[in-house]
Amino acid sequence: AQRVTQPEKLLSVFKGAPVELKCNYSYSGSPELFWYVQYSRQRLQLLLRHISRESIKGFTADLNKGETSFHLKKPFAQEEDSAMYYCALREGTSYGKLTFGQGTILTVHP
Amino acid sequence: ETGVTQSPTHLIKTRGQQVTLRCSSQSGHNTVSWYQQALGQGPQFIFQYYREEENGRGNFPPRFSGLQFPNYSSELNVNALELDDSALYLCASSPTMTRGELFFGEGSRLTVL
Repeated sequence: AQRVTQPEKLLSVFKGAPVELKCNYSYSGSPELFWYVQYSRQRLQLLLRHISRESIKGFTADLNKGETSFHLKKPFAQEEDSAMYYCALREGTSYGKLTFGQGTILTVHP
Repeated sequence: ETGVTQSPTHLIKTRGQQVTLRCSSQSGHNTVSWYQQALGQGPQFIFQYYREEENGRGNFPPRFSGLQFPNYSSELNVNALELDDSALYLCASSPTMTRGELFFGEGSRLTVL
């Protein structure tokens, strides 16, 4: 069965510092990986997906199939990046079924 | 464009009771998924509905059931409530036949006493 692991429950950095949120997965097929974010008092929303290979709000994530990882990175963290971040995996053609990690709370201090 | 809306936002039930949660999908979306999010955990997939039929189910017992209506709105029903059913229940919609993102509602927080 597929599994998504986010080893850090909490992550604190200072403004301007680099940040990396870790995500590892286990899945036998070709996964589709996502990062979802939940800002304070807002609903869960998509941040980025690996197939788009895009940078959103300065964040990037590269799918490493050899290490089965999909870490989220930003070179210079901002205070508005403080949020809960979830890594998620989608399998096959079940469009609505995502397997989420437990989430990482990122706090960016001024 | 109207986003995903869920009702009620909060409710309290006692063990053994039944509950119905409702979801209106985003305009143009005909696929609806339901998730359970326990405190401190990530969302866990319950099931998905596409064109009024269940199309995928997670590891939840049969007392968790759902419906999707012709207007693509959806209901989640939970029978014989247990204390462990206390959680935030999230509904998400997505456009049909795409591999795009899920659009989440704000959730219904259920407390079982």
